[in-house]
Amino acid sequence: EPEVTQTPSHQVTQMGQEVILRCVPISNHLYFYWYRQILGQKVEFLVSFYNNEISEKSEIFDDQFSVERPDGSNFTLKIRSTKLEDSAMYFCAISKERNEQFFGPGTRLTVL
Amino acid sequence: QKEVEQDPGPLSVPEGAIVSLNCTYSNSAFQYFMWYRQYSRKGPELLMYTYSSGNKEDGRFTAQVDKSSKYISLFIRDSQPSDSATYLCAMNRSGSSASKIIFGSGTRLSIRP
Repeated sequence: EPEVTQTPSHQVTQMGQEVILRCVPISNHLYFYWYRQILGQKVEFLVSFYNNEISEKSEIFDDQFSVERPDGSNFTLKIRSTKLEDSAMYFCAISKERNEQFFGPGTRLTVL
Repeated sequence: QKEVEQDPGPLSVPEGAIVSLNCTYSNSAFQYFMWYRQYSRKGPELLMYTYSSGNKEDGRFTAQVDKSSKYISLFIRDSQPSDSATYLCAMNRSGSSASKIIFGSGTRLSIRP
């Protein structure tokens, strides 16, 4: 199974601050995704990314969110001005040609 | 009606029992069906990935899809305490990559030694 790591494992931030969550695939993958899971709720799709472009995004992924792959390996999710309701686990996922998506361990974001 | 419905449990069974986990869905466009296992505060781990109706077996796990009833199941044989986790059903419309996955809410399973 492909491996992906995420940093940090836990991020605590003040409301209104910017955060950047990072995803590092161990092997070479083409497709990248971000999902989030608010405590006690289901895993929700945020965005998919391929060939340095967003392929699809959900309603959650508004102007406060952005993604990029700045150096060809790390895949980042930026939240420009965090809100209390952004507190959640954020999961990066990766896939190759077939849409079997493999998830990272997640970053727990706490907004105070 | 929710796109994907899953009984949240919790479900508690004795070690060695056969476990049956189920989901229903409303959107007939879903073609690919998955089961993920999630331990507390960890990322979802892909267990099974199936296409359309039918059965797929992998070790102690069997995934079953009935598209006519919009119903999918995961069976776990000879359940072990290490199988205790939350099981998420998931599905998407296309097997091509970059297609978003829609998840169920998860069923919490506990296997009693």
